[in-house]
Amino acid sequence: GDSVTQMEGPVTLSEEAFLTINCTYTATGYPSLFWYVQYPGEGLQLLLKATKADDKGSNKGFEATYRKETTSFHLEKGSVQVSDSAVYFCALSDRIGGAQKLVFGQGTRLTINP
Amino acid sequence: DSGVTQTPKHLITATGQRVTLRCSPRSGDLSVYWYQQSLDQGLQFLIQYYNGEERAKGNILERFSAQQFPDLHSELNLSSLELGDSALYFCASSGRYNDEQYFGPGTRLTVT
Repeated sequence: GDSVTQMEGPVTLSEEAFLTINCTYTATGYPSLFWYVQYPGEGLQLLLKATKADDKGSNKGFEATYRKETTSFHLEKGSVQVSDSAVYFCALSDRIGGAQKLVFGQGTRLTINP
Repeated sequence: DSGVTQTPKHLITATGQRVTLRCSPRSGDLSVYWYQQSLDQGLQFLIQYYNGEERAKGNILERFSAQQFPDLHSELNLSSLELGDSALYFCASSGRYNDEQYFGPGTRLTVT
């Protein structure tokens, strides 16, 4: 079945550092790809998405490009802030007809130190 | 605020008991999804309903069941609870032609 693999965490960076969280996927079709963020004690928030190859999703300074040739969707941010500390989940949308589910990676905990 | 609401926020119960978790989707969304988040299994899809009908089933135990009502709210019923059922249970919703899912704040279930 479809699956998502994220780089293992936790990741600890200093404020203003460059961030990359790797995500690769295995899918039989052409899924949409997502990054969700979970702040402590909260639910998941949609951060960005891409629906087809070479699409770039972006939001709040974060970016990710749908790379079909490498089956990857790496999350990047040029200059992280303390407020970016959270758990980040890569996910793909597995849709067959009207049925749909999200398949998530294991999550990467990010801590930004001032 | 995603617009998806879940109640209760926390639930503590004993093994063997039965609980019901409730979810109200965003206004206008017809699809409701349930996910379980645990330390060992991560985020797992349980079940999807669309406009009252079951559409997709994931790793949902036979002791668990769900339904979606005419007003589109959904309930997840967990019975014969075991210690291993302790987890965060999230509900999400999406629109008819949209694969973006919006998540509620979750219900933390603790089975003692």
